[in-house]
Amino acid sequence: DAGVTQSPTHLIKTRGQHVTLRCSPISGHKSVSWYQQVLGQGPQFIFQYYEKEERGRGNFPDRFSARQFPNYSSELNVNALLLGDSALYLCASSLKTGTWAFFGQGTRLTVV
Amino acid sequence: GENVEQHPSTLSVQEGDSAVIKCTYSDSASNYFPWYKQELGKGPQLIIDIRSNVGEKKDQRIAVTLNKTAKHFSLHITETQPEDSAVYFCAASKIANDMRFGAGTRLTVKP
Repeated sequence: DAGVTQSPTHLIKTRGQHVTLRCSPISGHKSVSWYQQVLGQGPQFIFQYYEKEERGRGNFPDRFSARQFPNYSSELNVNALLLGDSALYLCASSLKTGTWAFFGQGTRLTVV
Repeated sequence: GENVEQHPSTLSVQEGDSAVIKCTYSDSASNYFPWYKQELGKGPQLIIDIRSNVGEKKDQRIAVTLNKTAKHFSLHITETQPEDSAVYFCAASKIANDMRFGAGTRLTVKP
């Protein structure tokens, strides 16, 4: 079975632009969470979605938004990019809330 | 909110020795404590986890202990091997999907 897949793997954007990152969870998993990992730090929680509803939100500005589709895949959108948004964006999927979470390989976003 | 502190930030051991990484958390409501291993260029990989109703859990060379009263938990790796070299993260959460991570420990196992 395929693990959590994220696309693209790398991305370079200019300040002020918008970006969309995509995540496909493990087959059968209904929960997707997004994390931001700045170089040298641990992942920071951004959002959690379960059954297409937002179930949790971390301390990130409104420029960050996400959604989950009927097939349980998910998108993370970031508007008005800042240099400080440069990071590895990780998606984690789990069968349901409260169970093991498995991470994808991440999308490396560089804002210049 | 939950705050997780992890130490040491770097750890170097000889192959075959044991390695111990310690974490503390602040929210007494947290009840799920996973450990992740992250290799260069990859996403974190779950290696072991423990829930608050258990004090210790072991899986081959890896063990985790939890002291709820003191709000700290530890990862123990015995008989370390070069392939154990990676960055290790602890995390705490009330549910498994809203995890608060420590800053990580870079483990180097010298052959």
